[in-house]
Amino acid sequence: AAGVIQSPRHLIKEKRETATLKCYPIPRHDTVYWYQQGPGQDPQFLISFYEKMQSDKGSIPDRFSAQQFSDYHSELNMSSLELGDSALYFCASSSPQLAGPLEQYFGPGTRLTVT
Amino acid sequence: RKEVEQDPGPFNVPEGATVAFNCTYSNSASQSFFWYRQDCRKEPKLLMSVYSSGNEDGRFTAQLNRASQYISLLIRDSKLSDSATYLCVVNIGNQFYFGTGTSLTVIP
Repeated sequence: AAGVIQSPRHLIKEKRETATLKCYPIPRHDTVYWYQQGPGQDPQFLISFYEKMQSDKGSIPDRFSAQQFSDYHSELNMSSLELGDSALYFCASSSPQLAGPLEQYFGPGTRLTVT
Repeated sequence: RKEVEQDPGPFNVPEGATVAFNCTYSNSASQSFFWYRQDCRKEPKLLMSVYSSGNEDGRFTAQLNRASQYISLLIRDSKLSDSATYLCVVNIGNQFYFGTGTSLTVIP
């Protein structure tokens, strides 16, 4: 079965540079979530989109922005990168749920290293 | 206070053992509950959703106690391949809250 696709898988940037992470949800999934996971930490929710509109906002810094496009893929744009932004960035998607639990499926993640 | 609390462990158990993890959540408006497993440097993978009546999937049994606001995961006949971090996840509206994870190592 098709899974969530993220690109790139690894990214190395310098401080103050910008980065763009991409996420392609599972086909027919309409909601995308972005998470940041630092070493030894649990995933921290950044932002989510439902039907191309921002749905919820978590601990996303103002330097970051994201959007969901008409084909449901999403991009996380990160500017003025700081050393502390080094982390694994996961994208997850979920399908329309009429009943039952809202299940999320995660992509393999993008490992961002800021030097 | 975190929305979801878990004992971080680590739990080191021999092959074949039964091990149980517990997780508590603070928001009584929580709607859905899940256990995910995460291997080192990999993405969280959905292990099972947790239903009020309790549910079982092979060697794994999950229970939900809404009155006490806790969720449990029981693993029977542990395998080496069960070694991972187990994340308790709670859904409120469109947001998901993660516990810090419980580390399990199954020893030969």
